[in-house]
Amino acid sequence: SQTIHQWPATLVQPVGSPLSLECTVEGTSNPNLYWYRQAAGRGLQLLFYSIGIDQISSEVPQNLSASRPQDRQFILSSKKLLLSDSGFYLCAWSVLVNTEAFFGQGTRLTVV
Amino acid sequence: GDSVTQMEGPVTLSEEACLTINCTYTATGYPSLFWYVQYPGEGLQLLLKATKADDKGSNKGFEATYRKETTSFHLEKGSVQVSDSAVYFCALIDTGGFKTIFGAGTRLFVKA
Repeated sequence: SQTIHQWPATLVQPVGSPLSLECTVEGTSNPNLYWYRQAAGRGLQLLFYSIGIDQISSEVPQNLSASRPQDRQFILSSKKLLLSDSGFYLCAWSVLVNTEAFFGQGTRLTVV
Repeated sequence: GDSVTQMEGPVTLSEEACLTINCTYTATGYPSLFWYVQYPGEGLQLLLKATKADDKGSNKGFEATYRKETTSFHLEKGSVQVSDSAVYFCALIDTGGFKTIFGAGTRLFVKA
């Protein structure tokens, strides 16, 4: 069966520090991969999606970047965090089109 | 573009009360529709889905019917439990698409 791993679960980082969040999917090949952010008390904002290795699309211009160095690995990064980067980050995967996404457990990022 | 609108929360109910969370959508094609649930501190879980008009999705006592004529997908449950307290997200994927578009989420509190 397919599983998705996202880490770390929580992270407290100072302003100006770098960020790297990792997500891996097991049990499937060539998944579509997604990074979402959920600000406190708000809905989900799609940040990046990827339909293949090194194919990254950005939905919202911002202080973050994403990479997909391997088929089932998706990384969210920042060179210098801002206070506004705080939030709950969710990785997700899907296959084909018109199919539901499956989510990881999320990373709670607090920038101080 | 595609969008999902759901009723604002929070919704507070007593145990065994009836639940309805309204959801309407705008899409250019024939979308698949979903309800996701998010328990505190966790990622999203797929609750139910419907892929074509008049389909009814159901799971754990929750139901939603895909109404094309009213572009709606309201979530219902006849008798809620304290354990149903969570945030509920309505979502869609448009025809041939792979990006899930989410509503803002509705927080449900169920009191014993």
